[in-house]
Amino acid sequence: NAGVTQTPKFRILKIGQSMTLQCTQDMNHNYMYWYRQDPGMGLKLIYYSVGAGITDKGEVPNGYNVSRSTTEDFPLRLELAAPSQTSVYFCASSYSIDSPLHFGNGTRLTVT
Amino acid sequence: QQPVQSPQAVILREGEDAVINCSSSKALYSVHWYRQKHGEAPVFLMILLKGGEQKGHDKISASFNEKKQQSSLYLTASQLSYSGTYFCGTEGRTGNQFYFGTGTSLTVIP
Repeated sequence: NAGVTQTPKFRILKIGQSMTLQCTQDMNHNYMYWYRQDPGMGLKLIYYSVGAGITDKGEVPNGYNVSRSTTEDFPLRLELAAPSQTSVYFCASSYSIDSPLHFGNGTRLTVT
Repeated sequence: QQPVQSPQAVILREGEDAVINCSSSKALYSVHWYRQKHGEAPVFLMILLKGGEQKGHDKISASFNEKKQQSSLYLTASQLSYSGTYFCGTEGRTGNQFYFGTGTSLTVIP
């Protein structure tokens, strides 16, 4: 059981570039989430999904897009990267809203 | 929608106790607690699903007061390994989002 796997671990982007952060889980969880965590701060919800084909916005969705074509995968797309998107991004999954969240190891993104 | 935690930061000596509070402006149906060590992902500690529920393992326990829309995390006889940032978390208004609290940095010193 790999749990939640995020790739890449680190990435440096130039302003205006685009990239996709990958997240996959092998626990057959319905719920998946993307959070961002700025240095010394808390976790902000970007997007979430309650099952394949269903996604919705969280607190800070601007500048991001997601898709959920399978139960396992929940990629996060950054279009036109900006310095304000420099952060650590965590993907998490859970069986239900009342179940523990399992986190990936995070992607550290720097936009310069 | 984000729950508010207090205190923001606390420093303890080994063996001392601490209480971390989590308050919400909306009704709480469940509360999660997580600990995050520096440079790592948050790790699940416990869930409280009912008002009045109390849980614990080892020397870390939590309570949930549904009427007051609050939860508290109790750390007794703290150890160096307890250092980290503690987050409470709860569902959003629609029931499908999951929001984390503002966080409490806890440092245990020898």
